Amino acid sequence: AQSVTQLGSHVSVSEGALVLLRCNYSSSVPPYLFWYVQYPNQGLQLLLKYTTGATLVKGINGFEAEFKKSETSFHLTKPSAHMSDAAEYFCAVRGGGGNKLTFGTGTQLKVEL
Amino acid sequence: DVKVTQSSRYLVKRTGEKVFLECVQDMDHENMFWYRQDPGLGLRLIYFSYDVKMKEKGDIPEGYSVSREKKERFSLILESASTNQTSMYLCASTGSDRGLYEQYFGPGTRLTVT
Repeated sequence: AQSVTQLGSHVSVSEGALVLLRCNYSSSVPPYLFWYVQYPNQGLQLLLKYTTGATLVKGINGFEAEFKKSETSFHLTKPSAHMSDAAEYFCAVRGGGGNKLTFGTGTQLKVEL
Repeated sequence: DVKVTQSSRYLVKRTGEKVFLECVQDMDHENMFWYRQDPGLGLRLIYFSYDVKMKEKGDIPEGYSVSREKKERFSLILESASTNQTSMYLCASTGSDRGLYEQYFGPGTRLTVT
């Protein structure tokens, strides 16, 4: 079975500061990992994904994530936060059969001036 | 670009009413999903479908049913709405081609049951 843990339901950073959103996963098979972003009253939008190959994955809006198998982690980072980054972020894992994803409980990112 | 649309953005229904939520995708995807999203609980899978007329229960199917008569359309049905079904409902779709595992989401339907 697959599971995802997102540490910190709320994260607050200053504009221009580093963004770090944590995600740890559990999977019985090699995982495919995803980060999604949700702006208020909207659906989820894919930020980036890891399937195979390079472990550092770059996504949209300057975000990137690194797959670390030894730590079972897939943390999301952005060097410099912008006010427009304020949103909820979800980590997800696909593993085993089928095309289902298991989502974490989300991290609300607040960006302050 | 993949487009997933949902029939309503906001819906208010009374307890006991039968509620239909419609989802349509335009990318010929085989797989479609219904989730509900609640604060602090993330997204929880209600039902999914991997082909026309095929469906499987997700993690929280109680109180819900689904219908998939055409490939592009996946409906979620609340047979008798209850207040604990007040939530945001998200539809998603994905193809079956190897490597195409990301799901594409609709804008969501915020359902309030009074």
